[in-house]
Amino acid sequence: EPEVTQTPSHQVTQMGQEVILRCVPISNHLYFYWYRQILGQKVEFLVSFYNNEISEKSEIFDDQFSVERPDGSNFTLKIRSTKLEDSAMYFCASSVTSGRARVNEQFFGPGTRLTVL
Amino acid sequence: DAKTTQPPSMDCAEGRAANLPCNHSTISGNEYVYWYRQIHSQGPQYIIHGLKNNETNEMASLIITEDRKSSTLILPHATLRDTAVYYCIVRVGTDSWGKLQFGAGTQVVVTP
Repeated sequence: EPEVTQTPSHQVTQMGQEVILRCVPISNHLYFYWYRQILGQKVEFLVSFYNNEISEKSEIFDDQFSVERPDGSNFTLKIRSTKLEDSAMYFCASSVTSGRARVNEQFFGPGTRLTVL
Repeated sequence: DAKTTQPPSMDCAEGRAANLPCNHSTISGNEYVYWYRQIHSQGPQYIIHGLKNNETNEMASLIITEDRKSSTLILPHATLRDTAVYYCIVRVGTDSWGKLQFGAGTQVVVTP
């Protein structure tokens, strides 16, 4: 069964450093998302991406964050200058619209645990 | 999107049915009820969704009340692997590519 993959599974970085989290969505999917989950808290939406541009972003997704689909298969989240509070599990998701019902499920990857020291 | 209310936790015996309630009293006519679950530290997993009719798939059944103000997710024969946080989410159907707004969910613990 096709699945969303994410790399690395765990990333440790120093505060102020740039990190890039990578995701490979399911191949025929059109919509891509990043969510994060701080330890012990709920899953929070960061950004959605469609047709090579951001569809929606949350307040969390400030100028320190950017997303890119560089080569038609990968979907990346970049944090330019990491802060301690960026430590969280980051989940990538993808979905495809069902043309008839226009409802669809999001398929989530296993996550990347980001630790900022 | 309408807000949902779920109990924070519930226990279920292995092999028994688990009935997970969700209140969504402000749901609009074009909003669907979705259920996802998150097994510890893994990515959320879609379970089922519905508009007004009851739905069943290989994972679960979804019962939506006639007034659509509440719903129940039924796991017919709970196994230890069903231990997870279950999220009830209401979303506009025509905005089906939009974000998922997760609440705190219900922590379900299936015991032997």
